[in-house]
Amino acid sequence: EIVMTQSPATLSVSPGERATLSCRASQSVKSNLAWYQQQPGQAPRLLIFGASTRATDIPARFSGSGSGTEFNLTISSLQSGDFAVYYCQQYNNWPPWTFGQGTKVEIK
Amino acid sequence: QVQLVQSGAEVRKPGSSVKVSCKTSGDTFSSQATTWVRQAPGQGLEWMGRIIPIFDAVNLAQKFQGRVTITADESTSTAYMELSSLTSEDTAVYYCARGKYSSNWFDYWGQGTPVTVSS
Repeated sequence: EIVMTQSPATLSVSPGERATLSCRASQSVKSNLAWYQQQPGQAPRLLIFGASTRATDIPARFSGSGSGTEFNLTISSLQSGDFAVYYCQQYNNWPPWTFGQGTKVEIK
Repeated sequence: QVQLVQSGAEVRKPGSSVKVSCKTSGDTFSSQATTWVRQAPGQGLEWMGRIIPIFDAVNLAQKFQGRVTITADESTSTAYMELSSLTSEDTAVYYCARGKYSSNWFDYWGQGTPVTVSS
């Protein structure tokens, strides 16, 4: 089973600033990585798949990068609706599909 | 548009079972996978299993084998997840999810079904 590790656990950022979230895989997942955003009390929402392709209707301020074992999600200028928990998910080796433990982006 | 609508909240006693449903509309239900993911309070996302009805194919996470049954009713485009021998550690929100075009990421999610296990 591939273990996904996200860092940091919590990221404190001011509105308008840039946020960079990291996700590391225990072995190569090539570019088979997705990112999700989850607001409190809501289901996750797909942001990125294929490590860097934005999903439908996702704003350009969200960008994904990386391949192999190291990935980043960057939010270029944080808006109020971006304060949430973010999860990475690998789909290279399955089953099981595995998620990271999440990074909470909070208002500084 | 694609919608996944899940059944309502459940409360169960330890040792019992729960069955959660997920009805899909706006999509080709049978040929694509419906996946089940759960989230314990304050915790992350945990993949449980999936079904592809047209192939009658089910994959389960090893952790849940023997306790989870995933089925589908193609006539109603509804998937089901039944979890047995419940303990307090099964208290969680259970989500169904689907990918677009047989993708292995999850474009569409149900609203979640809270399951509480308490004596």
